[in-house]
Amino acid sequence: ETGVTQSPTHLIKTRGQQVTLRCSSQSGHNTVSWYQQALGQGPQFIFQYYREEENGRGNFPPRFSGLQFPNYSSELNVNALELDDSALYLCASSLRRENIQYFGAGTRLSVL
Amino acid sequence: QKEVEQDPGPLSVPEGAIVSLNCTYSNSAFQYFMWYRQYSRKGPELLMYTYSSGNKEDGRFTAQVDKSSKYISLFIRDSQPSDSATYLCAMLRGGADGLTFGKGTHLIIQP
Repeated sequence: ETGVTQSPTHLIKTRGQQVTLRCSSQSGHNTVSWYQQALGQGPQFIFQYYREEENGRGNFPPRFSGLQFPNYSSELNVNALELDDSALYLCASSLRRENIQYFGAGTRLSVL
Repeated sequence: QKEVEQDPGPLSVPEGAIVSLNCTYSNSAFQYFMWYRQYSRKGPELLMYTYSSGNKEDGRFTAQVDKSSKYISLFIRDSQPSDSATYLCAMLRGGADGLTFGKGTHLIIQP
């Protein structure tokens, strides 16, 4: 177990709705990254948060947004859900000065 | 051309065999190289982490990085049925950067 916890485990939404996913980072880790993993694909980097600010972003539209809190936990928000947003969403925590990312079990989102 | 190429398999080998998993990449800026194992419906689990070129061994696992050829490998000795999973290679430039993953190779160890 990595100590990275994500909630909820599963989620079903309809197209056009909004969703919030949550992540608690491993104790002592100050950086959180979010990834989207479609079925049969490797994870794709969405963005990274450090000191409560977005600190790097992959090729995802602005309707994907996030927050990091003072305790280093994080949220991923997705607005105007599309069918293609159906995927496993993974959170990874790390120490800023290191480059080793530890993943949670993920939240499986289904958009109908 | 994708930044990281990885054969999705499936790769099926008998128990006890040596397994070789590979990735190629195109971006010479990658400095950190990782292998993750992912069981079905679970998050990726870090197996090996290497910086720059060279070899690293940890138990039954050996990771190799050849930056001149832009090629990385993971070897698994004395493979076990519990090693059956998807193996993901991942790379990082450094700084405020996310991991770039391969597609993953589905490995099956036959008892």
